[in-house]
Formats: sequence, C-alpha cells, structure tokens
Amino acid sequence: SQKIEQNSEALNIQEGKTATLTCNYTNYSPAYLQWYRQDPGRGPVFLLLIRENEKEKRKERLKVTFDTTLKQSLFHITASQPADSATYLCAAGGTGRRALTFGSGTRLQVQP
Amino acid sequence: DAGITQSPRHKVTETGTPVTLRCHQTENHRYMYWYRQDPGHGLRLIHYSYGVKDTDKGEVSDGYSVSRSKTEDFLLTLESATSSQTSVYFCAISESQEKGKLFFGSGTQLSVL
Repeated sequence: SQKIEQNSEALNIQEGKTATLTCNYTNYSPAYLQWYRQDPGRGPVFLLLIRENEKEKRKERLKVTFDTTLKQSLFHITASQPADSATYLCAAGGTGRRALTFGSGTRLQVQP
Repeated sequence: DAGITQSPRHKVTETGTPVTLRCHQTENHRYMYWYRQDPGHGLRLIHYSYGVKDTDKGEVSDGYSVSRSKTEDFLLTLESATSSQTSVYFCAISESQEKGKLFFGSGTQLSVL
C-alpha cells in the first residue's frame, strides 16, 4: 500500500540555523507533494506544493525539493526562528479523484 | 480557518451511542474530506465527497458513514461509537483535486468511553 514516511523523532535546532525535514514515499508515484504546518490544537495549514516535474520550489524562507529517483522530498526552513516550532506534515497526491495521503509529521523545535 | 466550521469542538460519549459530527463551509468548494488524527498514525482519510450526494471511502472508513445533501455541509456519523474511534477529527475542503491544496477546520476532539 502507499506509504508516506516522515521522521517521527522531533528535530531540535538552534535559532538561525537551517532546519531540514525529510519525507519518503513508497509504493507510490505521486503527481505532487505538499507540506503543511500544524500547531497544537489546530488544523494543518498549507505551506507549499511541488509537482513531480519540478525539482525545487521556494517561498520566502521555505524551500522544498522533489527527487523522484530517491522517492523523497526535503523541506528546508532557513534562518529558523522559535516561531517556526510546529509539526510539519508531508502529503502526496495523485491525478484523478484521489485524496491526499499524509505522513505522520515531524515536530520541529527551534531553540532561542 | 478559511470559512470552515466544525461542530462540536469537543464531545464525550459512551460506547454504542450514535454520534454525528458536522462540517460547514462557506467557500463553495466542491471537495470535502473527513480525516482522523491519532498519535503515530498521522492524518488518515475516512471518507470524502466530490459533490452533493457523491461520496467515496477512504482508508479507514469502517464504522463511519457520511452524507452530503448540500454543497456547504458534510456530516460524519459513527453509527455505534467504539473506544477505537476516540480521536481528533478534521474536516477539510479543496477547490479541486488537481490543485490539491486543502483547507482544514479546527478539529473535533471525540472521546468514546
């Protein structure tokens, strides 16, 4: 079955450093990948979408890559801030009438 | 939360009782989804709808049913709640499946005792 895997261990980094989160997928060839941010007690919020024919996408301090050979997406937050502390979810989508499949998320903690 | 309201926000119920969760949107989006979120499992799709009266099952649909009689409302029913259905339930909407971006509600915390 389709699987989206994210590192379940929390990622702790110092303020100002670059945070890199990993999303791997198996038994699947998604047409696009999405990244969401989720704060405690809230619903996920969409951040970025990258399509299979795109290698990289940027939005302000965020960068996401899509490597169809490695079956992996990397999500980077540069110049991280304590306000970036949250859980980040990766999701994969296909063509046609198929809903997104989510990974279980990685919690990021940025220390001041 | 992008014009999505989930009700109730919290509910405690007993095993065997029926429960209905409501999702209401004001965005006129075609697609609506119900996910549940549990520690270690992430978000798992229960059911989704691609139009009024058009619904389909997700990966964890057993024990759940849905209805969509109007564009703006998507109901999730647990016919006979079980303790394994204790979870946080999220409703989401999207304009299209190809563009894919989901907007989520604030969630319903359901506890089945």
